Amino acid sequence: GAVVSQHPSWVICKSGTSVKIECRSLDFQATTMFWYRQFPKQSLMLMATSNEGSKATYEQGVEKDKFLINHASLTLSTLTVTSAHPEDSSFYICSARAGENTGELFFGEGSRLTVL
Amino acid sequence: AQSVSQHNHHVILSEAASLELGCNYSYGGTVNLFWYVQYPGQHLQLLLKYFSGDPLVKGIKGFEAEFIKSKFSFNLRKPSVQWSDTAEYFCAVKGGGFKTIFGAGTRLFVKA
Repeated sequence: GAVVSQHPSWVICKSGTSVKIECRSLDFQATTMFWYRQFPKQSLMLMATSNEGSKATYEQGVEKDKFLINHASLTLSTLTVTSAHPEDSSFYICSARAGENTGELFFGEGSRLTVL
Repeated sequence: AQSVSQHNHHVILSEAASLELGCNYSYGGTVNLFWYVQYPGQHLQLLLKYFSGDPLVKGIKGFEAEFIKSKFSFNLRKPSVQWSDTAEYFCAVKGGGFKTIFGAGTRLFVKA
């Protein structure tokens, strides 16, 4: 199957700093990638849809100025958590479809963010 | 708006027991339905999917799911679970557009 890779897998940062998480599709091109956030014992919450070459589409309640998404190429999307606070600590997962008709999502391994 | 509801948050079974995990969704149009599984320490991966045709879908590792349109349900089943099935299972729905919405997940623990 298609491979999606995230980096870093775990990051610890101080409150007020910014953190960038990368999501790469390794063996396919993805015009669309999705960023999810997973709270403990809860489901994956879709944060935004990342579109190559254009602005991301954010879900209701997600601050676009706090969670900056850039999809500069067909194989890379980045999520930057700006001015991170402890409540931003979570597990962030990206995913992509290898083909628009399949519907199947391929997931990265996730990035655990801990804000002190 | 789409939503997905999974009935059980935690399930504990003994090996060889039968499994059924409930999933209901709300969306009036045509849907694509999925079950994803996350084994401890691993990525989420696809277990099975339904797009059209036979409503009884067979996936990997002996899992199957049945789409019942009138009940808006897509329950996951396995006749005899194994210890290696211990994982978290997510039901997901893709309606019109690009978005896939996930249920809250069910953690399955199988006792050896």
